[in-house]
Amino acid sequence: DAKTTQPTSMDCAEGRAANLPCNHSTISGNEYVYWYRQIHSQGPQYIIHGLKNNETNEMASLIITEDRKSSTLILPHATLRDTAVYYCIVRVASYNTDKLIFGTGTRLQVFP
Amino acid sequence: EPEVTQTPSHQVTQMGQEVILRCVPISNHLYFYWYRQILGQKVEFLVSFYNNEISEKSEIFDDQFSVERPDGSNFTLKIRSTKLEDSAMYFCVAGQGVDTEAFFGQGTRLTVV
Repeated sequence: DAKTTQPTSMDCAEGRAANLPCNHSTISGNEYVYWYRQIHSQGPQYIIHGLKNNETNEMASLIITEDRKSSTLILPHATLRDTAVYYCIVRVASYNTDKLIFGTGTRLQVFP
Repeated sequence: EPEVTQTPSHQVTQMGQEVILRCVPISNHLYFYWYRQILGQKVEFLVSFYNNEISEKSEIFDDQFSVERPDGSNFTLKIRSTKLEDSAMYFCVAGQGVDTEAFFGQGTRLTVV
């Protein structure tokens, strides 16, 4: 089962920041938080990941709380092309395997 | 060049037939996975593959499914006798492991009729 919970849907005005929350209260110390998005039925697209520290790349920023029980993905200037389902994922790993367990995600609708 | 290329993009097969879905990841990846997504549902983990063997599989991955990477490049998923409920989008994924990006292919849409 997914170790994350997210709101089912969110709206955001074009040009504004989109802040997508995620709860992962049972995360273990060595498990990473990953964010992917899926546009229609295309292959999920990697956005960002982190362990403890906040992370930023050209697509987004990831803010992880100090207790690591929740995080927020920030798209600083949302565009219509950012309309997608966003998945917050805890990457579970053992010595020879790891996997991404997807939940139901947040459907982000960016409107003009 | 995409990190992961899947073929075919769409396959239609009759129930009971065998299908092979193919994936070509960039050669420096170490971990390989198959996921599937039934229309309108979640992306589901099927199997992970590391060091030329299955490292983990889900309950979905029963005896009808198999994977192999025979030549060090192509990574295949075989379904021996397809059922209607196998209709889904199948995604091949490749990566270097934890703390790195896992790259998804664009998927193969399997339709069983």
